[in-house]
Amino acid sequence: GNSVTQMEGPVTLSEEAFLTINCTYTATGYPSLFWYVQYPGEGLQLLLKATKADDKGSNKGFEATYRKETTSFHLEKGSVQVSDSAVYFCALLTGTASKLTFGTGTRLQVTL
Amino acid sequence: DTAVSQTPKYLVTQMGNDKSIKCEQNLGHDTMYWYKQDSKKFLKIMFSYNNKELIINETVPNRFSPKSPDKAHLNLHINSLELGDSAVYFCASSQRNGTFYEQYFGPGTRLTVT
Repeated sequence: GNSVTQMEGPVTLSEEAFLTINCTYTATGYPSLFWYVQYPGEGLQLLLKATKADDKGSNKGFEATYRKETTSFHLEKGSVQVSDSAVYFCALLTGTASKLTFGTGTRLQVTL
Repeated sequence: DTAVSQTPKYLVTQMGNDKSIKCEQNLGHDTMYWYKQDSKKFLKIMFSYNNKELIINETVPNRFSPKSPDKAHLNLHINSLELGDSAVYFCASSQRNGTFYEQYFGPGTRLTVT
């Protein structure tokens, strides 16, 4: 079956630090990959996506590249801000099903 | 304009009660979902409807029953509530477009069973 593995948090960084949140996946077929973000007390928002190998998703300074050879979709940002503090979820969706499979989420805390 | 809305936002109730959570989307999507997020933030799908037809039914107790009166609404009814049902329930919707189903989430309903 499909599964997503994320690095455990929390991740605590100082403002302007470089961020990497690791995500690897196991899937049948060719999944689409997503990063969702959940700010405190809110629902999930789609942050970025990639639908095929070597695609790079980007949004709000965040980037992730779909690496089929390593089955990874690591999230990166060059300079984090306090406002980026949230829980980040990696997820996949295959073409044969319409359900998202989520990782366990990684909490990011950015301090001044 | 709220794309996916849920009511209520908070729900506190006692064990054994029956309660419903409502979801509405104004995006014109044909597929809707219910997800459960537990206290450790783990998200798992429960149900999915496409054009009012149940297409995903994960291993969920029979006490949970989804109902889709039309494509824009998907309600979740829970009978005989138990302590373990306490969680945040998220509704989502998407439009089938080739093989890419971007899902839009509602704000969540925090259910607390005492």
